[in-house]
Amino acid sequence: SQLAEENSWALSVHEGESVTVNCSYKTSITALQWYRQKSGKGPAQLILIRSNEREKRNGRLRATLDTSSQSSSLSITATRCEDTAVYFCATDAGSNNRIFFGDGTQLVVKP
Amino acid sequence: GPKVLQIPSHQIIDMGQMVTLNCDPVSNHLYFYWYKQILGQQMEFLVNFYNGKVMEKSKLFKDQFSVERPDGSYFTLKIQPTALEDSAVYFCASSLGGGALQDTQYFGPGTRLLVL
Repeated sequence: SQLAEENSWALSVHEGESVTVNCSYKTSITALQWYRQKSGKGPAQLILIRSNEREKRNGRLRATLDTSSQSSSLSITATRCEDTAVYFCATDAGSNNRIFFGDGTQLVVKP
Repeated sequence: GPKVLQIPSHQIIDMGQMVTLNCDPVSNHLYFYWYKQILGQQMEFLVNFYNGKVMEKSKLFKDQFSVERPDGSYFTLKIQPTALEDSAVYFCASSLGGGALQDTQYFGPGTRLLVL
């Protein structure tokens, strides 16, 4: 069973618009991380948000965490074509050694 | 930023043969990981490695799999013998500290393995 999953398979927006990707998870966590994976590349960390944090920002990115509903969101403002990628949430599910990834949401930003 | 390299980028091999996937982690990192991603599916943890030892492995890390990092050289994943279901992209990652998400894991670009 999946311990983390994104709520949309794919999203499409036009450049300049904002978009939000949502994620839900099933167990208690110490942290949740958002990754981006571009075609043919490995995942790259975007934002790490710990269980005692509610919001974290990184430039045009904003992550939120709601431990009561076991959900997180990643918002991207002023999207650019180069934001086109698969976005994953990942949790530690309380593990000290491993990360559990969701399936990912494919985001396409059109010119 | 820090880069993890993986060699080769692609490998095609006949079922039953041995394959070694090589990872050149970030130079001062101490924790090393392998993940497996089948096309269209989620990335799944295989194993993590610290101080010359496997710290944790998942049930995907079959008996045919082994990892090592002799003398600070490449961190390797060896599969012997390979099976058809081993076809996937294998990602290596490294981090300075451990603790799953407590420290940033830097991922390589992956090795695409096809077992025929």
